[in-house]
Amino acid sequence: DIQMTQSPSSLSASVGDRVTITCRASQSINRYLNWYQQKPGKAPKLLIDAASSLQSGVPSRFSGSGSGTDFTLTISSLQPEDFATYYCQESYSTPYTFGQGTKLEIK
Amino acid sequence: EVQLLESGGGLVQPGGSLRLSCAASGFVFNSYAMSWVRQAPGKGPEWVSGISGDGLSIYSADSVKGRFTISRDNSKNTLYLQMNSLRAEDTAVYYCAKGVEYFWTGLFDPWGQGTLVTVSS
Repeated sequence: DIQMTQSPSSLSASVGDRVTITCRASQSINRYLNWYQQKPGKAPKLLIDAASSLQSGVPSRFSGSGSGTDFTLTISSLQPEDFATYYCQESYSTPYTFGQGTKLEIK
Repeated sequence: EVQLLESGGGLVQPGGSLRLSCAASGFVFNSYAMSWVRQAPGKGPEWVSGISGDGLSIYSADSVKGRFTISRDNSKNTLYLQMNSLRAEDTAVYYCAKGVEYFWTGLFDPWGQGTLVTVSS
């Protein structure tokens, strides 16, 4: 199975900050990398698929990049509603493993 | 609007059984793969099982193979997960999730609100 490792596991930032979350795959997954956002008590929501394709309705301050084994999720200017936990997930091969999550907290 | 509504969770003893249901609406149900994804407390999600639009192709994670069975009734727009021989490590919120194609591709969008399964004596 492919292992997905996110860093950092938690991050404190302020409204307006630019933040970057990193995800590394244990083998090359081309661009089969997705990002989900999860708020407390809610289901995960798909933000980005294929490493950089923003889902409809997702604000343009979110962006994704990378290929192969190294990927990033960037939020250009944090808004209050962005404080949540973010998960990367590979869709290259079953069992489509998720990362352990990055919790983004208000500083 | 796509809606997915899970039910059937609860407290069960180790070795017991539960059947989860997911009522779907807002899309052509038999045109899309469906999945169950679970999330243990404080952990990342884990894809448990997937089923193709016609119900003929099924995937089960190694962690549940032989114990959990996914199925669907396209006449009722409903997805099921029969869970047998439950273990403490099966304790999690179980989400129903819609796929984006007829077969699973690893994309889950959207997810239901989830149903909590607690395995404990």
